[in-house]
Amino acid sequence: QKEVEQDPGPLSVPEGAIVSLNCTYSNSAFQYFMWYRQYSRKGPELLMYTYSSGNKEDGRFTAQVDKSSKYISLFIRDSQPSDSATYLCAMNSNDYKLSFGAGTTVTVRA
Amino acid sequence: NAGVTQTPKFQVLKTGQSMTLQCAQDMNHEYMSWYRQDPGMGLRLIHYSVGAGITDQGEVPNGYNVSRSTTEDFPLRLLSAAPSQTSVYFCASSSPDGGPTNEQFFGPGTRLTVL
Repeated sequence: QKEVEQDPGPLSVPEGAIVSLNCTYSNSAFQYFMWYRQYSRKGPELLMYTYSSGNKEDGRFTAQVDKSSKYISLFIRDSQPSDSATYLCAMNSNDYKLSFGAGTTVTVRA
Repeated sequence: NAGVTQTPKFQVLKTGQSMTLQCAQDMNHEYMSWYRQDPGMGLRLIHYSVGAGITDQGEVPNGYNVSRSTTEDFPLRLLSAAPSQTSVYFCASSSPDGGPTNEQFFGPGTRLTVL
């Protein structure tokens, strides 16, 4: 079993819809939770991070962590075609190595 | 700043050939890593380095070698290429001053096909 599970999708939504992405994990030592965004044929870039249970908002993006259920989510409100990308969750336990999910490919249709 | 650069962008090898993927960063980051990305598997850590002269294995190190003689460069060597090494390879760097999330700065990737 992988440490981090993420449904690879793909996910296709109309412009303006809410996109919901999620990951589950098995390692209770994970403390820091991140979402990376990867455009086609590019390297991933950090989108958001959080380290406690609860919600964190950044513009149209909300990251949610539920440590008791070992479940994290990313919501994109008012989705735009420019949000079309692969979204990877990542997490670590205050050491160097990150554990990544498989990534979910999102397409926002104009 | 160029950030993290990787060469080549594309490469086709025959089984058994060897080659070196180049990675350089100009951000003076101490940490550097190599990942491979395969469909449905996400990013898997191959090797990493926490400073010049220091390297360690990641999750999938077999068939790969690394060295780190300078802060800037972190080449990845494929010793005898196999079709299972067909993948997209990403180099990343980060700074211990970047906080506990260890934000990774990725290069553009090298797409490798082994026939």
